Amino acid sequence: AQSVAQPEDQVNVAEGNPLTVKCTYSVSGNPYLFWYVQYPNRGLQFLLKYITGDNLVKGSYGFEAEFNKSQTSFHLKKPSALVSDSALYFCAVGPFGQNFVFGPGTRLSVLP
Amino acid sequence: NAGVMQNPRHLVRRRGQEARLRCSPMKGHSHVYWYRQLPEEGLKFMVYLQKENIIDESGMPKERFSAEFPKEGPSILRIQQVVRGDSAAYFCASSPDNSGNTIYFGEGSWLTVV
Repeated sequence: AQSVAQPEDQVNVAEGNPLTVKCTYSVSGNPYLFWYVQYPNRGLQFLLKYITGDNLVKGSYGFEAEFNKSQTSFHLKKPSALVSDSALYFCAVGPFGQNFVFGPGTRLSVLP
Repeated sequence: NAGVMQNPRHLVRRRGQEARLRCSPMKGHSHVYWYRQLPEEGLKFMVYLQKENIIDESGMPKERFSAEFPKEGPSILRIQQVVRGDSAAYFCASSPDNSGNTIYFGEGSWLTVV
């Protein structure tokens, strides 16, 4: 069965500093990897995905993620954090349907 | 192109009542997924439907919960005889297929059982 781990419940970073939100996965076969962000009382917004191709994926709002097959990781990064980036971030692994699995989420707090 | 539309956004029900949550997928999407997000927990898969078919309901509680996606109209998640533990955010998502294309989420329906 597929699984996703986000080892940090909470990440705190100062505004302007780089941020990393970690994600590791376990799948059989090639992974379909996704990051979503959830603002308070809102739905999930798609940030980026990796299916094939370059290991470094660029997404919305200046976020990027690096697929590392040997470490089975797909960490989310941003060079310079904004206070408005504070939200709940979910890593997910596909494909869709029966086996689309979300990680538990990581709460990011960007401090002014 | 409107996104995934869910209604109601907020629903309050007394214990024992029925809750119906609706989801209209994005135009051209025939695959619908329902997820539940309990307070302080992550998203849990409930059910995956295509038009008129339930593909996978392995995440649905065995009793009181049902889902449908008729040929015409929105997908409906129905919870009968609600209990306090059903209080959660219910998210619907849709995709054009299950090939790996991105699925798009609705804004969610927040159910509160009092």
